Amino acid sequence: DSGVTQTPKHLITATGQRVTLRCSPRSGDLSVYWYQQSLDQGLQFLIQYYNGEERAKGNILERFSAQQFPDLHSELNLSSLELGDSALYFCASSPHRTSGGGNTGELFFGEGSRLTVL
Amino acid sequence: AQSVTQPDIHITVSEGASLELRCNYSYGATPYLFWYVQSPGQGLQLLLKYFSGDTLVQGIKGFEAEFKRSQSSFNLRKPSVHWSDAAEYFCAVGPAPHSNYQLIWGAGTKLIIKP
Repeated sequence: DSGVTQTPKHLITATGQRVTLRCSPRSGDLSVYWYQQSLDQGLQFLIQYYNGEERAKGNILERFSAQQFPDLHSELNLSSLELGDSALYFCASSPHRTSGGGNTGELFFGEGSRLTVL
Repeated sequence: AQSVTQPDIHITVSEGASLELRCNYSYGATPYLFWYVQSPGQGLQLLLKYFSGDTLVQGIKGFEAEFKRSQSSFNLRKPSVHWSDAAEYFCAVGPAPHSNYQLIWGAGTKLIIKP
């Protein structure tokens, strides 16, 4: 058990719909990362939040957005869904300090939310 | 261009046999290297990492990896695999421990264990 919790585990929806994926990081971890894993694209970094603020953006579509709340949980919102958005969405957390000691570089992943768009 | 290559999409080994999973990278700066494992239905878990020092690093579950700068490789090894090692293995490279968002991931190698 990594300590990272993601809900829901599975989600089936239709094209054009909107869904929200939720992530609770490990206790005390300030950084949350969202990844998309698909067969054709592999593991793609979407976005990172650190202590409530957006820290880094990767290959995140404009139809997707995320936020991190004061209690450090995060939500990934996917809208106007397309068939190609079907994938496994992972959340990961890390302690993340800006530099120096205490950074293990380790990401702790949740079990993922499998999204199927029909 | 920066990249991570895992040349083998699938590898099949017999239980008890030795294992080597290959990882080659192209990276402009000093690389920080990671191996993660994804068991079926699970998230990724860190097996081991290399930042500096001894180029042979030990990880969890009996895995080790050797950093070879001259060959731009960071191959993962295990002397004797167990059925529970069946999983997908990902190699990743980044610029620094605190820059996880910059990790470049390999496509993964799926390990299949023959009884």
